[in-house]
Amino acid sequence: DVKVTQSSRYLVKRTGEKVFLECVQDMDHENMFWYRQDPGLGLRLIYFSYDVKMKEKGDIPEGYSVSREKKERFSLILESASTNQTSMYLCASSRTGAAYNEQFFGPGTRLTVL
Amino acid sequence: GQNIDQPTEMTATEGAIVQINCTYQTSGFNGLFWYQQHAGEAPTFLSYNVLDGLEEKGRFSSFLSRSKGYSYLLLKELQMKDSASYLCAVRDREAGNMLTFGGGTRLMVKP
Repeated sequence: DVKVTQSSRYLVKRTGEKVFLECVQDMDHENMFWYRQDPGLGLRLIYFSYDVKMKEKGDIPEGYSVSREKKERFSLILESASTNQTSMYLCASSRTGAAYNEQFFGPGTRLTVL
Repeated sequence: GQNIDQPTEMTATEGAIVQINCTYQTSGFNGLFWYQQHAGEAPTFLSYNVLDGLEEKGRFSSFLSRSKGYSYLLLKELQMKDSASYLCAVRDREAGNMLTFGGGTRLMVKP
Protein backbone atom coordinates (compact mmCIF):
# COMPACT_ATOMS: atom_id res chain seq x y z
CA ASP A 1 0.00 0.00 0.00
CA VAL A 2 1.52 3.27 -1.14
CA LYS A 3 2.07 5.84 1.51
CA VAL A 4 2.97 9.47 1.98
CA THR A 5 3.36 10.49 5.60
CA GLN A 6 3.73 13.89 7.19
CA SER A 7 5.35 14.51 10.54
CA SER A 8 2.44 16.23 12.26
CA ARG A 9 -1.31 16.45 11.70
CA TYR A 10 -1.65 19.64 13.78
CA LEU A 11 0.95 22.23 14.69
CA VAL A 12 0.71 25.52 16.58
CA LYS A 13 3.60 27.97 16.37
CA ARG A 14 4.27 31.58 17.28
CA THR A 15 5.06 34.41 14.89
CA GLY A 16 8.77 34.49 14.11
CA GLU A 17 9.44 30.85 14.93
CA LYS A 18 11.24 28.59 12.49
CA VAL A 19 8.98 25.74 11.43
CA PHE A 20 9.90 22.42 9.82
CA LEU A 21 7.33 20.26 8.08
CA GLU A 22 8.54 16.82 7.10
CA CYS A 23 7.23 14.52 4.40
CA VAL A 24 8.28 10.95 3.67
CA GLN A 25 7.15 8.66 0.84
CA ASP A 26 7.82 4.96 0.50
CA MET A 27 7.13 4.57 -3.21
CA ASP A 28 10.59 5.46 -4.54
CA HIS A 29 9.03 8.41 -6.40
CA GLU A 30 11.29 10.93 -8.06
CA ASN A 31 8.96 13.91 -7.71
CA MET A 32 7.79 15.50 -4.50
CA PHE A 33 5.60 18.55 -3.93
CA TRP A 34 4.49 20.91 -1.20
CA TYR A 35 1.09 22.62 -1.47
CA ARG A 36 -0.93 24.79 0.82
CA GLN A 37 -4.70 24.57 0.82
CA ASP A 38 -6.93 27.48 1.81
CA PRO A 39 -10.72 27.74 1.58
CA GLY A 40 -11.83 28.96 -1.83
CA LEU A 41 -8.27 29.02 -3.19
CA GLY A 42 -7.72 25.33 -3.76
CA LEU A 43 -4.28 23.78 -3.60
CA ARG A 44 -1.43 26.10 -4.48
CA LEU A 45 2.04 24.80 -5.25
CA ILE A 46 4.79 26.16 -3.01
CA TYR A 47 7.83 24.15 -4.14
CA PHE A 48 8.58 20.90 -5.88
CA SER A 49 11.54 18.64 -6.37
CA TYR A 50 12.21 16.21 -9.20
CA ASP A 51 15.36 14.70 -7.77
CA VAL A 52 17.54 14.64 -4.69
CA LYS A 53 19.02 18.07 -3.94
CA MET A 54 16.95 19.60 -6.76
CA LYS A 55 14.18 22.11 -6.09
CA GLU A 56 11.99 24.38 -8.13
CA LYS A 57 9.74 27.25 -7.07
CA GLY A 58 6.04 26.81 -7.47
CA ASP A 59 3.40 29.52 -7.58
CA ILE A 60 3.82 30.87 -4.04
CA PRO A 61 7.38 30.25 -2.77
CA GLU A 62 7.78 33.49 -0.81
CA GLY A 63 8.43 32.90 2.87
CA TYR A 64 9.26 29.22 2.37
CA SER A 65 12.27 27.08 1.58
CA VAL A 66 12.70 23.34 1.05
CA SER A 67 15.27 20.63 1.46
CA ARG A 68 15.61 17.27 -0.24
CA GLU A 69 18.67 15.43 1.00
CA LYS A 70 17.24 11.95 0.44
CA LYS A 71 14.92 10.67 -2.25
CA GLU A 72 12.18 9.69 0.18
CA ARG A 73 12.15 12.87 2.26
CA PHE A 74 11.10 16.42 1.37
CA SER A 75 11.06 19.12 4.02
CA LEU A 76 9.27 22.46 3.98
CA ILE A 77 10.80 25.22 6.09
CA LEU A 78 9.20 28.43 7.26
CA GLU A 79 12.19 30.55 8.25
CA SER A 80 10.12 33.02 10.27
CA ALA A 81 6.50 32.01 10.57
CA SER A 82 3.84 34.64 10.06
CA THR A 83 0.10 34.58 10.71
CA ASN A 84 -0.68 34.55 6.98
CA GLN A 85 1.04 31.17 6.79
CA THR A 86 -1.71 29.61 8.86
CA SER A 87 -3.01 26.97 6.49
CA MET A 88 -3.29 23.28 5.65
CA TYR A 89 -0.05 22.00 4.13
CA LEU A 90 -0.15 18.97 1.86
CA CYS A 91 2.78 16.97 0.58
CA ALA A 92 2.53 14.80 -2.54
CA SER A 93 4.75 12.56 -4.62
CA SER A 94 4.64 11.14 -8.13
CA ARG A 95 6.65 8.95 -10.42
CA THR A 96 8.43 10.32 -13.47
CA GLY A 97 7.51 8.74 -16.76
CA ALA A 98 4.16 7.29 -15.75
CA ALA A 99 1.35 7.71 -18.25
CA TYR A 100 -0.41 10.31 -16.21
CA ASN A 101 1.87 10.92 -13.23
CA GLU A 102 -0.80 10.60 -10.60
CA GLN A 103 0.13 12.46 -7.44
CA PHE A 104 -0.25 10.69 -4.10
CA PHE A 105 -0.98 12.96 -1.17
CA GLY A 106 -0.13 12.83 2.50
CA PRO A 107 -2.79 13.47 5.18
CA GLY A 108 -1.81 17.11 5.62
CA THR A 109 -0.50 19.28 8.43
CA ARG A 110 -2.79 21.96 9.77
CA LEU A 111 -0.49 24.77 10.88
CA THR A 112 -1.70 27.63 13.05
CA VAL A 113 0.62 30.60 13.56
CA LEU A 114 -0.34 32.80 16.51
CA GLY B 1 -1.35 31.56 -16.58
CA GLN B 2 -4.23 29.21 -15.92
CA ASN B 3 -7.77 29.70 -14.71
CA ILE B 4 -9.84 26.80 -13.41
CA ASP B 5 -13.44 27.26 -12.34
CA GLN B 6 -15.75 24.88 -10.56
CA PRO B 7 -18.82 25.48 -8.38
CA THR B 8 -18.10 26.03 -4.71
CA GLU B 9 -20.89 23.86 -3.33
CA MET B 10 -23.51 21.40 -4.52
CA THR B 11 -26.19 19.41 -2.77
CA ALA B 12 -27.77 16.18 -4.01
CA THR B 13 -29.95 13.37 -2.71
CA GLU B 14 -28.85 9.86 -1.91
CA GLY B 15 -29.40 7.56 -4.90
CA ALA B 16 -29.45 10.42 -7.40
CA ILE B 17 -26.96 11.48 -10.09
CA VAL B 18 -24.86 14.63 -9.82
CA GLN B 19 -22.61 16.35 -12.34
CA ILE B 20 -19.75 18.57 -11.20
CA ASN B 21 -18.43 20.87 -13.90
CA CYS B 22 -14.95 22.27 -14.38
CA THR B 23 -13.87 24.82 -16.96
CA TYR B 24 -10.29 25.78 -17.61
CA GLN B 25 -8.11 28.02 -19.73
CA THR B 26 -4.58 26.88 -20.35
CA SER B 27 -2.05 27.24 -23.13
CA GLY B 28 -0.40 23.83 -22.96
CA PHE B 29 -3.10 21.41 -21.85
CA ASN B 30 -1.69 18.01 -21.02
CA GLY B 31 -4.34 16.24 -18.98
CA LEU B 32 -7.06 16.82 -16.44
CA PHE B 33 -7.41 15.09 -13.09
CA TRP B 34 -10.25 14.71 -10.63
CA TYR B 35 -9.49 14.10 -6.96
CA GLN B 36 -11.81 13.38 -4.04
CA GLN B 37 -11.06 14.83 -0.63
CA HIS B 38 -13.01 13.97 2.49
CA ALA B 39 -12.91 16.53 5.28
CA GLY B 40 -9.60 16.39 7.13
CA GLU B 41 -8.13 13.80 4.79
CA ALA B 42 -5.72 13.67 1.85
CA PRO B 43 -7.00 14.08 -1.72
CA THR B 44 -7.26 10.75 -3.51
CA PHE B 45 -7.10 10.23 -7.25
CA LEU B 46 -10.39 9.55 -9.04
CA SER B 47 -9.84 9.95 -12.77
CA TYR B 48 -7.67 11.25 -15.56
CA ASN B 49 -8.62 12.52 -19.03
CA VAL B 50 -6.26 13.64 -21.75
CA LEU B 51 -8.34 12.84 -24.85
CA ASP B 52 -11.89 13.96 -25.56
CA GLY B 53 -14.63 11.71 -24.36
CA LEU B 54 -15.93 9.84 -21.39
CA GLU B 55 -13.92 7.71 -18.98
CA GLU B 56 -16.06 5.43 -16.84
CA LYS B 57 -14.97 3.86 -13.59
CA GLY B 58 -17.77 2.23 -11.66
CA ARG B 59 -20.19 4.82 -10.30
CA PHE B 60 -17.88 7.65 -11.36
CA SER B 61 -17.34 8.95 -14.89
CA SER B 62 -15.33 11.88 -16.17
CA PHE B 63 -15.78 13.70 -19.45
CA LEU B 64 -13.43 16.02 -21.33
CA SER B 65 -13.85 18.42 -24.23
CA ARG B 66 -10.52 20.03 -25.02
CA SER B 67 -11.95 22.42 -27.61
CA LYS B 68 -14.37 23.81 -25.01
CA GLY B 69 -11.95 23.72 -22.09
CA TYR B 70 -14.54 21.75 -20.17
CA SER B 71 -14.76 18.67 -18.03
CA TYR B 72 -17.32 17.15 -15.75
CA LEU B 73 -17.34 14.48 -13.09
CA LEU B 74 -20.51 12.39 -12.98
CA LEU B 75 -21.42 10.52 -9.83
CA LYS B 76 -24.24 7.97 -10.08
CA GLU B 77 -26.23 6.20 -7.37
CA LEU B 78 -25.03 8.70 -4.81
CA GLN B 79 -24.16 7.40 -1.38
CA MET B 80 -23.75 9.34 1.85
CA LYS B 81 -20.03 8.56 1.80
CA ASP B 82 -19.73 10.55 -1.44
CA SER B 83 -20.08 13.73 0.62
CA ALA B 84 -16.66 15.28 0.04
CA SER B 85 -14.84 17.96 -1.91
CA TYR B 86 -14.05 17.22 -5.54
CA LEU B 87 -10.95 18.87 -6.96
CA CYS B 88 -10.36 19.50 -10.65
CA ALA B 89 -6.70 19.88 -11.65
CA VAL B 90 -5.13 20.65 -15.02
CA ARG B 91 -1.65 19.75 -16.13
CA ASP B 92 0.09 22.27 -18.36
CA ARG B 93 3.17 21.31 -20.35
CA GLU B 94 4.13 24.98 -20.54
CA ALA B 95 4.24 25.04 -16.74
CA GLY B 96 6.60 22.11 -16.50
CA ASN B 97 3.70 19.65 -16.41
CA MET B 98 2.76 20.87 -12.98
CA LEU B 99 -0.83 20.59 -11.78
CA THR B 100 -2.98 23.64 -11.16
CA PHE B 101 -6.00 22.99 -8.98
CA GLY B 102 -9.41 24.58 -8.97
CA GLY B 103 -10.93 25.71 -5.69
CA GLY B 104 -12.83 22.45 -5.27
CA THR B 105 -16.54 21.65 -5.13
CA ARG B 106 -17.98 20.61 -1.79
CA LEU B 107 -20.71 18.05 -2.38
CA MET B 108 -23.26 17.35 0.32
CA VAL B 109 -25.35 14.21 -0.10
CA LYS B 110 -28.61 14.26 1.83
CA PRO B 111 -30.81 11.29 2.73
